[in-house]
Formats: sequence, structure tokens, C-alpha cells
Amino acid sequence: SYVLTQPPSVSVAPGKTARITCGGNNIGSKSVHWYQQKPGQAPVLVIYYDSDRPSGIPERFSGSNSGNTATLTISRVEAGDEADYYCQVWDSSSDHLNWVFGGGTKLTVL
Amino acid sequence: QVTLRESGPALVKPTQTLTLTCTFSGFSLSTSGMCVSWIRQPPGKALEWLALIDWDDDKYYSTSLKTRLTISKDTSKNQVVLTMTNMDPVDTATYYCARIDRGQYYFDYWGQGTLVTVSS
Repeated sequence: SYVLTQPPSVSVAPGKTARITCGGNNIGSKSVHWYQQKPGQAPVLVIYYDSDRPSGIPERFSGSNSGNTATLTISRVEAGDEADYYCQVWDSSSDHLNWVFGGGTKLTVL
Repeated sequence: QVTLRESGPALVKPTQTLTLTCTFSGFSLSTSGMCVSWIRQPPGKALEWLALIDWDDDKYYSTSLKTRLTISKDTSKNQVVLTMTNMDPVDTATYYCARIDRGQYYFDYWGQGTLVTVSS
């Protein structure tokens, strides 16, 4: 089955740019979606189809996807961005349909 | 306004069968392309997709758990039910239901989740 690999943690100072990666075999050929999850809360969609933002998500959140790596970029990081972030793809490469999540990345705002 | 809410037992014993209900509003699962899915998250761990049912009653299951899962829907009640057999302590997790809108492949609305603990 398809595997998504994320770094366990990323740290960034307030006002700087955070980049969270999501690795997968030829992930650039798939659509990647990103979720933010704060402690005790359900995940919230922040990026869909690689780089689109749902309404209500700040423009500081952006995404890209190419080759074997997708990236969630958070510009001008704020304390409120501290959360776990998960990437997700839909995989139909085997004879089975799967919705796959990465292992998650904890973003710490220093 | 789209909302989803999970309900079910907070505690189950090993070997028992878990039954969870997702009650939703703001959309209809009879609308072409609509889907509802179950996803779980063990304490301190990552999200894990479990099962999905679509408007046409097609059902999809996690490869690793498919022998233990059954998903069904009651369109008239706006409910989706997940059953998981032979529960084990490793199945302790928060269980979420989430929606996929028409023809999409991401989860745009989530319930608040329900914590299920498996213990004797």
C-alpha cells in the first residue's frame, strides 16, 4: 500500500516560514491534501488539491507538490499555528482504494 | 451548515463488537458523489482511515482491517454506522466520521470524535 512519510517535528520562530514535507513514491502524480489538528480538536482541512485553500484559511498557508515530495508552507508563522499537520492522498494504485494519511508533523512555534 | 456527530460506547471489552453511529446534517447521502468515512486516531498517534460509504452504497475498507469492519447507511435518518468486531486494547482511539463532498477526495467536514477505550 502507498506510504506517506512526514518528519515528526518542525520548529520555527514566530514570523518566519515553516515548511512541512510529505514524501511518497511519485507523489507529484497524486493530489495531496493537508489537515491541521490542534490538541483535543478534530482535524481541519487547510490545503486541498496540492495548493488550494478552503474559505477561511489564511493566505499564509500554501502548498506545492512535485516529484516525490509535497510541501505545506506556512508563512509569517504565528503562535496559533502550533499544531499537528497531516498530509493525505487517495490511492488507487493497487486493486484496492485507500485514503492514506501521513504520520503527522508537530509544528512547534519557538 | 454541515455538521457530523459521532456516538457510541466509551468503553468496550476485548473481543466485543463496537458499534458507532455518525449522525449528520446539512447534506444528504443520497446526493450523487457524497461520501461519509470513518477515521481513527490512537492517543498520541497518527490518523488512520478505516472505511467509506458513498451515495450509491459502495463501500471501501482499510486493507488491514477489512475483515473486522462493516459500514452501512440509513439515508432517511442521516446516519452512517460502523461496526468493528473482535475489539482489542490496540483499538483504543478517538473515532471520527468525516464527509467527502461530491466527487472530491479529501475530508472537508469532520465530527468532533468519540474516544473509545478497550479494556476489561
